[in-house]
Amino acid sequence: DTGVSQNPRHKITKRGQNVTFRCDPISEHNRLYWYRQTLGQGPEFLTYFQNEAQLEKSRLLSDRFSAERPKGSFSTLEIQRTEQGDSAMYLCASSSRSGPTDTQYFGPGTRLTVL
Amino acid sequence: AQRVTQPEKLLSVFKGAPVELKCNYSYSGSPELFWYVQYSRQRLQLLLRHISRESIKGFTADLNKGETSFHLKKPFAQEEDSAMYYCALLASGGSYIPTFGRGTSLIVHP
Repeated sequence: DTGVSQNPRHKITKRGQNVTFRCDPISEHNRLYWYRQTLGQGPEFLTYFQNEAQLEKSRLLSDRFSAERPKGSFSTLEIQRTEQGDSAMYLCASSSRSGPTDTQYFGPGTRLTVL
Repeated sequence: AQRVTQPEKLLSVFKGAPVELKCNYSYSGSPELFWYVQYSRQRLQLLLRHISRESIKGFTADLNKGETSFHLKKPFAQEEDSAMYYCALLASGGSYIPTFGRGTSLIVHP
């Protein structure tokens, strides 16, 4: 499968714990996005990388959230001191520079439940 | 700031009936608009984008800048069209931050 992969697929944690998610984009894609999706809503943009550079961060991304993309390959999203409000599906997407549009290819998501 | 509105949370039709999923946007520049679809237990995937002016699985969408709309249409719905549909906007000018609507669940009854 050469699509975007995310691990783990599910994570249950207790409030206050730290969690880390991983995203492996399509290999030739230089752009990588993280989104959060809660029930009844569309994906909400969190942050975006072009290669290893983190170019944009949403106001939604509090100080407890940090993302990295070392060497412009896979990316990790860490949430520190999780809160119940962090429970959501976390989606990763990647895209390549292919003209004026930016078709994003999504991973299956990581569902986080904070107890 | 850009915004995408999908006024219907749920659209229920019978097989063979026409379908129109509404999408309205708010953006001062020239946007790129997309429709994404998520079938049951599958990942979100691109259905079509306005710049391509294409028809995918019988669906079409026309950008109406006057009405700031990008409605998705299909003349004859099929049961396999049942899915969650998201309209998305990409702002012009180099920002690659997309804005998604909340989605419309389409159910096509046999």
